[in-house]
Amino acid sequence: GDSVTQMEGPVTLSEEAFLTINCTYTATGYPSLFWYVQYPGEGLQLLLKATKADDKGSNKGFEATYRKETTSFHLEKGSVQVSDSAVYFCALNIGATNKLIFGTGTLLAVQP
Amino acid sequence: EAGVVQSPRYKIIEKKQPVAFWCNPISGHNTLYWYLQNLGQGPELLIRYENEEAVDDSQLPKDRFSAERLKGVDSTLKIQPAELGDSAVYLCASSLGLAGEYNEQFFGPGTRLTVL
Repeated sequence: GDSVTQMEGPVTLSEEAFLTINCTYTATGYPSLFWYVQYPGEGLQLLLKATKADDKGSNKGFEATYRKETTSFHLEKGSVQVSDSAVYFCALNIGATNKLIFGTGTLLAVQP
Repeated sequence: EAGVVQSPRYKIIEKKQPVAFWCNPISGHNTLYWYLQNLGQGPELLIRYENEEAVDDSQLPKDRFSAERLKGVDSTLKIQPAELGDSAVYLCASSLGLAGEYNEQFFGPGTRLTVL
């Protein structure tokens, strides 16, 4: 079945370090891909998305490129801040139901 | 504009007791979702509503879980009786629709349930 695999955390970085969180997917169709972020005590928020191969989603300095050949959607940011500390979820959906399938989440902790 | 509202935020009950969670979606959002998030896991869809109709409830354990969305606005998710394994966060989300620019799902803060 359809699934998402993302790197386990926690990921601990110093402020201004480069961030990569890996995400790969398995899907029978042509999914849309998403990154959601969950700040402490808050609900999930859509961070960025890409709907077709080679699309790049970007927001708040974060980027991810939809790579069909490697079935990946890795999240990157060039310089993280303490305020980026949160749990990041990679997700996909397929077809008309808009059902989201999530990875297990990656906790990012950024230290000053 | 207000986001998705859920209550209560936290609930502690003893096993075999009933419990209910309430969700108020963003105004005008026709589609409403309930997700279950176990500790250390990503959310999993329980049920999806289109207006007042439950159109995807295949993942809802119907022996003890029920849900309703009267008048196509607010929704309630109920567990009766609760079991220890039901301890989790229950998330509600809503979207304008299913496709294209309307399919972004907006999530509430969730209800954290602890069953003792």
